[in-house]
Amino acid sequence: AQSVTQLDSQVPVFEEAPVELRCNYSSSVSVYLFWYVQYPNQGLQLLLKYLSGSTLVKGINGFEAEFNKSQTSFHLRKPSVHISDTAEYFCAVSDQPSGTYKYIFGTGTRLKVLA
Amino acid sequence: NAGVTQTPKFQVLKTGQSMTLQCAQDMNHNSMYWYRQDPGMGLRLIYYSASEGTTDKGEVPNGYNVSRLNKREFSLRLESAAPSQTSVYFCASVKALSTDTQYFGPGTRLTVL
Repeated sequence: AQSVTQLDSQVPVFEEAPVELRCNYSSSVSVYLFWYVQYPNQGLQLLLKYLSGSTLVKGINGFEAEFNKSQTSFHLRKPSVHISDTAEYFCAVSDQPSGTYKYIFGTGTRLKVLA
Repeated sequence: NAGVTQTPKFQVLKTGQSMTLQCAQDMNHNSMYWYRQDPGMGLRLIYYSASEGTTDKGEVPNGYNVSRLNKREFSLRLESAAPSQTSVYFCASVKALSTDTQYFGPGTRLTVL
């Protein structure tokens, strides 16, 4: 079964500093990868996704992620964060290879941007 | 276009009571999902419906039942609530394939005393 690991449960960073949120997945077959953001007391919304093609994926709000097949990673980055980026971020993988329509989520990383 | 809507937003139950969480989407999506979110555990899939007329168990189905009433609506029922079911519940929908974006509702915060 596929799994997603987000090693960092919390990441504090100062405003205008760069940030990287780490995500590793386990799969020996092709995968589709997603990053979602959850602002306080809201549902999740898509930041970006990797399906195929270029390994560098750009998303909304200045975020980008790089797919690395050899390292089975899909880390999320932003060169300069804002206070408004304070939220919880979830990495997810779709279970397409098994023929189902399931998505597996990581445990989330809480990003706190400090003034 | 309201997207994915969930009712109620908040609910407090006593142990043993039953309730149904409602979810509806107006995007003509085929697949719908129920997740629960607990601190430090991320989102865990309870049940999903790949298409109208089908439902399947997810990672944590025990204590829950679902009904895909039609293409728009997917309800989650707790027959006899337990304190371990205290959580935030999210409904989501996807147009068709697992490459598509999931759209999430605003969540239902459930407390079981």
